[in-house]
Amino acid sequence: KQEVTQIPAALSVPEGENLVLNCSFTDSAIYNLQWFRQDPGKGLTSLLLIQSSQREQTSGRLNASLDKSSGRSTLYIAASQPGDSATYLCAVPEAAGNKLTFGGGTRVLVKP
Amino acid sequence: KAGVTQTPRYLIKTRGQQVTLSCSPISGHRSVSWYQQTPGQGLQFLFEYFSETQRNKGNFPGRFSGRQFSNSRSEMNVSTLELGDSALYLCASSLVAGVNEQFFGPGTRLTVL
Repeated sequence: KQEVTQIPAALSVPEGENLVLNCSFTDSAIYNLQWFRQDPGKGLTSLLLIQSSQREQTSGRLNASLDKSSGRSTLYIAASQPGDSATYLCAVPEAAGNKLTFGGGTRVLVKP
Repeated sequence: KAGVTQTPRYLIKTRGQQVTLSCSPISGHRSVSWYQQTPGQGLQFLFEYFSETQRNKGNFPGRFSGRQFSNSRSEMNVSTLELGDSALYLCASSLVAGVNEQFFGPGTRLTVL
């Protein structure tokens, strides 16, 4: 059974610092990995989808890397801003379906 | 292009009642999945529908059920509500069945008193 872990559970950084968020998974036979952002009480916003054949994916200040062999993905957010404060979740699909297994999330606070 | 919409956004019910939540996927998307989010358990998969058929089901009791209509809109129903059913219920849509990028709606906040 796939298990997804995100450490740390919470992170506080000063504005302008780069953010590094970690995601690990136990079963390396994944099809893809998706990173989401969630603001308090709101739904999930898809940030990046990285396919199993890719090593990294970039969108603006966001960069996600994937190392299947070690069961890890890292989300980098450059030059953090207070507006980046949110919970960040990673998720992997089960087998060949749309059922996602989520990590517990990392709650990020960027202080002005 | 409109995103995933969920109605209602907030619901307050009492124990023993039943509730129906609705989800309209992104236009053209045919797969709809439902998730329950609680502070203690995080995000847990409820079920997935594609072409009006349930393709996958999570580990929830039979009180939780769902369906999908021919226009891909989906509803989930929870009968005999319990206090522990209080949660944010999220719906996600994707283009087709199989492994695809998923897009989530804003959720329905259910409070059971």
